[in-house]
Amino acid sequence: SAVISQKPSRDICQRGTSLTIQCQVDSQVTMMFWYRQQPGQSLTLIATANQGSEATYESGFVIDKFPISRPNLTFSTLTVSNMSPEDSSIYLCSVSRDREQFFGPGTRLTVL
Amino acid sequence: GENVEQHPSTLSVQEGDSAVIKCTYSDSASNYFPWYKQELGKGPQLIIDIRSNVGEKKDQRIAVTLNKTAKHFSLHITETQPEDSAVYFCAASIAGNQFYFGTGTSLTVIP
Repeated sequence: SAVISQKPSRDICQRGTSLTIQCQVDSQVTMMFWYRQQPGQSLTLIATANQGSEATYESGFVIDKFPISRPNLTFSTLTVSNMSPEDSSIYLCSVSRDREQFFGPGTRLTVL
Repeated sequence: GENVEQHPSTLSVQEGDSAVIKCTYSDSASNYFPWYKQELGKGPQLIIDIRSNVGEKKDQRIAVTLNKTAKHFSLHITETQPEDSAVYFCAASIAGNQFYFGTGTSLTVIP
């Protein structure tokens, strides 16, 4: 398995501002993922972050809105930029190890 | 790409009864099928998985079955308990490279 922590666990932000979410893993992993989960919905993949390369974004998500950093094999950040109320969601970090995927506890974001 | 459908969206059972959640997938290349349990305010937790070379897997009160021909797999929870109440997600993956999730089932176990 993998132990994943996220910071912050929740935040309330004003529209037009940005928030950076941190994800820390207890050991080195190649692939890290960022998901969005809107209230009562399933998980939507935002992007895949591999160390040493640019993140790969899914359709509907762009780097200017969701810049991602992956400075090493245990850490990644996701920034939600120029926020609007539609960005209110749970943001989840996950890692893949031995074909299995494990999730962090999530960051609950509310944009007013 | 892969499309995963999950049914039912909500399920209520009496404590001690069984619960069954079903998923179908579209891509025959998918070979790994995990199930996740998500409790309120927490991230999804892997509870059981099955690979395409196996038809059934059991872990205490939880079992998963896979029918590759029909492209469907199911989660079975026996002797349900109130702590089983949560949202359950199925997923399909090709060798763990990308995961496609179902829409979730909200399970309520009534004491």
